[in-house]
Amino acid sequence: EPEVTQTPSHQVTQMGQEVILRCVPISNHLYFYWYRQILGQKVEFLVSFYNNEISEKSEIFDDQFSVERPDGSNFTLKIRSTKLEDSAMYFCASSPGTGARYEQYFGPGTRLTVT
Amino acid sequence: AQKVTQAQTEISVVEKEDVTLDCVYETRDTTYYLFWYKQPPSGELVFLIRRNSFDEQNEISGRYSWNFQKSTSSFNFTITASQVVDSAVYFCALSEEAVGSNYQLIWGAGTKLIIKP
Repeated sequence: EPEVTQTPSHQVTQMGQEVILRCVPISNHLYFYWYRQILGQKVEFLVSFYNNEISEKSEIFDDQFSVERPDGSNFTLKIRSTKLEDSAMYFCASSPGTGARYEQYFGPGTRLTVT
Repeated sequence: AQKVTQAQTEISVVEKEDVTLDCVYETRDTTYYLFWYKQPPSGELVFLIRRNSFDEQNEISGRYSWNFQKSTSSFNFTITASQVVDSAVYFCALSEEAVGSNYQLIWGAGTKLIIKP
């Protein structure tokens, strides 16, 4: 069964460094999402992406964040200058259609630790 | 505004007991979807169920059952004869179908379920 993959599974970085989290959505899916979960807290929406542009972004998704689909398969989340509070699990999700009726398929997550 | 409330922060039961996880939601839309996800200690999010707002039939899948009641805006999840492997954090989530919605999932805070042997 097709699945969303994410790399790396765990990333440790120093404060101020740039990180790129990678996701490979399911191949025929159209909508892509990034969510974040700070340890022990709820999952929070960051951004949605459709047709090669951002559809919606949350207040968390400030200028330090960017997303890109560089080659038609990968979907990346870049944090330009990491802060301690960016430490969290980051989940990528993809969906086959445009609508809430379509299930979002989640990747296994990337645990980002900023020291 | 949309909101999902899981009032139970943590539940602890002994194996083989039945346990119900509560979920209450708020939405202005008439068409919406409700979800339950399981997050085991390994951290991934495991999809359990999706239910649309027009289908109030209860659903049973093995030891899992879901009770959707629009009148009380609740979508509760029951595990029958719980097992240690059921120990996890369980999240309830909502997605709206309205035009202009970006279909993001709105998440509850999660309920940590501990099943003791």
